[in-house]
Amino acid sequence: DTGVSQDPRHKITKRGQNVTFRCDPISEHNRLYWYRQTLGQGPEFLTYFQNEAQLEKSRLLSDRFSAERPKGSFSTLEIQRTEQGDSAMYLCASSNQRGAGNTIYFGEGSWLTVV
Amino acid sequence: AQSVSQHNHHVILSEAASLELGCNYSYGGTVNLFWYVQYPGQHLQLLLKYFSGDPLVKGIKGFEAEFIKSKFSFNLRKPSVQWSDTAEYFCAVNGDSNYQLIWGAGTKLIIKP
Repeated sequence: DTGVSQDPRHKITKRGQNVTFRCDPISEHNRLYWYRQTLGQGPEFLTYFQNEAQLEKSRLLSDRFSAERPKGSFSTLEIQRTEQGDSAMYLCASSNQRGAGNTIYFGEGSWLTVV
Repeated sequence: AQSVSQHNHHVILSEAASLELGCNYSYGGTVNLFWYVQYPGQHLQLLLKYFSGDPLVKGIKGFEAEFIKSKFSFNLRKPSVQWSDTAEYFCAVNGDSNYQLIWGAGTKLIIKP
């Protein structure tokens, strides 16, 4: 399968613990995105990488959130000192800016439940 | 600021009924428009997209959408729905940033067999 893959698919953690999610984008894609989705809502943009450079972070992203893409391939999203409000689906997506437009392909998401 | 409105949060139809889901956006410049679908328990999948050219675009599974620039709309249509179309449908737009998608809140579609 050459789609976007995310790991783990589900994570249950206690409040205050740190969690890390991994995303492997489609191999030739230079852009990588993290979104968050809660039930009944569309995805909310969190952050965006072009190659290894993190070009934008949403104001939604508190200091407890950090994302990296060290070699311009896979990415990690870490949440420190988790809170119950962090419970959501964390979506990774990738795209390749070639030609017109910019079609974004999503992974299956990582469900986080903070108890 | 850009925004996307999907007016129907829940739609219930019988099989073989025709479908139209509304999507309106607010942005004055050039836009790229997308419809994504999320089947129960699955990830977001691209249904169709509009970048330029013919404003009537055809996607997978018999879906189509029409871009009407004067109305800032990109409504999704299907002439005859099937039970397997039960899913949540999201309209999304990207504009001047060209990378950040702005999403509608989604429409949950339930098809009664």
